Amino acid sequence: DAMVIQNPRYQVTQFGKPVTLSCSQTLNHNVMYWYQQKSSQAPKLLFHYYDKDFNNEADTPDNFQSRRPNTSFCFLDIRSPGLGDAAMYLCATSSTLGHQPSGSPHTLDTQYFGPGTRLTVL
Amino acid sequence: DAKTTQPNSMESNEEEPVHLPCNHSTISGTDYIHWYRQLPSQGPEYVIHGLTSNVNNRMASLAIAEDRKSSTLILHRATLRDAAVYYCILRETNFGNEKLTFGTGTRLTIIP
Repeated sequence: DAMVIQNPRYQVTQFGKPVTLSCSQTLNHNVMYWYQQKSSQAPKLLFHYYDKDFNNEADTPDNFQSRRPNTSFCFLDIRSPGLGDAAMYLCATSSTLGHQPSGSPHTLDTQYFGPGTRLTVL
Repeated sequence: DAKTTQPNSMESNEEEPVHLPCNHSTISGTDYIHWYRQLPSQGPEYVIHGLTSNVNNRMASLAIAEDRKSSTLILHRATLRDAAVYYCILRETNFGNEKLTFGTGTRLTIIP
């Protein structure tokens, strides 16, 4: 089945040590998102890529960066993790009008989420 | 994005219908009403969405008030697997603007 894959599912890093989380998708969707979800809170959008165009949310800290080397992969880099960055990080994809893969059963404009990576900062 | 208001939690008995309400009194004419749910230890998943008319799919039904200021997600026969946090989200589908702004959601507990 086409899907959104996040590796690893659990990541432990040390305070201040850079960490990279990865996301891949087999849906051939043109939009990819990164959300942060802290314990008992709702997911919060950090940024998204619309094709190759990077869109940062206004309140996303500079400590968070992202790369999208191709359609299938997207990375979240945390340059100097703090204790407050411990959270679940969710990757999602969507397809906008004109980019819907032919024959795909998926619905335009809906987002498809991966299982998340739970980051622990020691 | 316009805001939504949902009860923090609800309980329902297994195999009974569940009606999850959402208020969105400041909805604009172009806002779509989306519902997602998040099962424990998983990412959110799309449930259903609509604009003005009621909608049905294999997972649920969405009933939208005539003035569009409220909506109700209906699970026709709840199972234990439906225990999740349900998010009602307003989304303005602009080309290139695909944000989802999650509110606090409703935590649904299913009683066996």
